[in-house]
Amino acid sequence: GAVVSQHPSRVICKSGTSVKIECRSLDFQATTMFWYRQFPKQSLMLMATSNEGSKATYEQGVEKDKFLINHASLTLSTLTVTSAHPEDSSFYICSARAQGGGSPLHFGNGTRLTVT
Amino acid sequence: KQEVTQIPAALSVPEGENLVLNCSFTDSAIYNLQWFRQDPGKGLTSLLLIQSSQREQTSGRLNASLDKSSGRSTLYIAASQPGDSATYLCAVRPSGGYQKVTFGIGTKLQVIP
Repeated sequence: GAVVSQHPSRVICKSGTSVKIECRSLDFQATTMFWYRQFPKQSLMLMATSNEGSKATYEQGVEKDKFLINHASLTLSTLTVTSAHPEDSSFYICSARAQGGGSPLHFGNGTRLTVT
Repeated sequence: KQEVTQIPAALSVPEGENLVLNCSFTDSAIYNLQWFRQDPGKGLTSLLLIQSSQREQTSGRLNASLDKSSGRSTLYIAASQPGDSATYLCAVRPSGGYQKVTFGIGTKLQVIP
């Protein structure tokens, strides 16, 4: 089946530094990838939709200068949390959908970010 | 605006029991509906995908049904096992060009040995 690899799975960083999270579709091409944030006991919150070769579409309330998204190829999207602060600590998950109208979403294993 | 509700929020059953998880959505103009499981601290694993034209999908001990007109989907788990313990989420993709998927909060299932 379709596999999405997300790396790293855990990262601890100091306040003010930047962190990059990678999301790769291993055995399919994904024209669209999605980045989510998940808070405890809450549903997934869509942050942005990443389209290969074009600018990401951010959801309302998500700062695009803070959460930089790059979708350079059909198999790789990256999320960079710039100048991280403790309130950015969260669980970040990416998902990808293969080409084709009815294709399912496939998710990475998530990244637990802790900003100290 | 699409809203997705999952009931119950949590469920605890003895091993071997058959169970049903419910998902309801407010806007019936959907493209498809997908069920996932999420283990603690992990991403989501896709279980079943039902296109809007379909009524049900089956995979092993899992069966998902879709009644688009009433805005409901159920996930049936037969002969539950402790390894089924996880949070189950349903996600609705709207019809039309916009791809944003709406997730429910999930049902946390515990299967007791």
